Amino acid sequence: NAGVTQTPKFRILKIGQSMTLQCTQDMNHNYMYWYRQDPGMGLKLIYYSVGAGITDKGEVPNGYNVSRSTTEDFPLRLELAAPSQTSVYFCASSYPEREGDNEQFFGPGTRLTVL
Amino acid sequence: AQKVTQAQTEISVVEKEDVTLDCVYETRDTTYYLFWYKQPPSGELVFLIRRNSFDEQNEISGRYSWNFQKSTSSFNFTITASQVVDSAVYFCALSEAVNTGTASKLTFGTGTRLQVTL
Repeated sequence: NAGVTQTPKFRILKIGQSMTLQCTQDMNHNYMYWYRQDPGMGLKLIYYSVGAGITDKGEVPNGYNVSRSTTEDFPLRLELAAPSQTSVYFCASSYPEREGDNEQFFGPGTRLTVL
Repeated sequence: AQKVTQAQTEISVVEKEDVTLDCVYETRDTTYYLFWYKQPPSGELVFLIRRNSFDEQNEISGRYSWNFQKSTSSFNFTITASQVVDSAVYFCALSEAVNTGTASKLTFGTGTRLQVTL
């Protein structure tokens, strides 16, 4: 299993540009998540999904959109990039063994800079 | 609302010293889960441990040990005989217990950067 993969690893965007961060998992996990990590901070949840066709907002969803058309893929879209979106983005997935007791498996991250 | 506090921003130790990373959490839930993750300089997040709120037994895994105390809402992490390879940022995280079919979201602390030198 490759686990959770993310592309690209690095990206520089100009203000106002758009892009999609890709996330794929091959563990057949129902739950998937997008987090951002700002310098010196912990991770904050942007969006999450409990299954194909179902998504919901996390703590910091503004400026982002997601879709979940398949179990494997959970892309994150930035429509109008802003310097405040400069961050490292982590995708994660999980399959709960018990209610709420879900170890989340993280991808390697995408480092995004908006200039 | 849930909150995780890691008051130690950065810790520096000399190799072979023991070091404890503090984690204090806040939650209104009676059932919850606590996690520790390691983020080495390469940037990925490595899962270390998961603990549920009903299990206050301390856990030891090699040089790592965890002390969970509900009375003080703390879940501290100790590395015994630290090594240079332990240098990383360590995150404590909390998740609520939810019904099956509802994703449990992690609330992270701001992390503690551990620097182990020779």
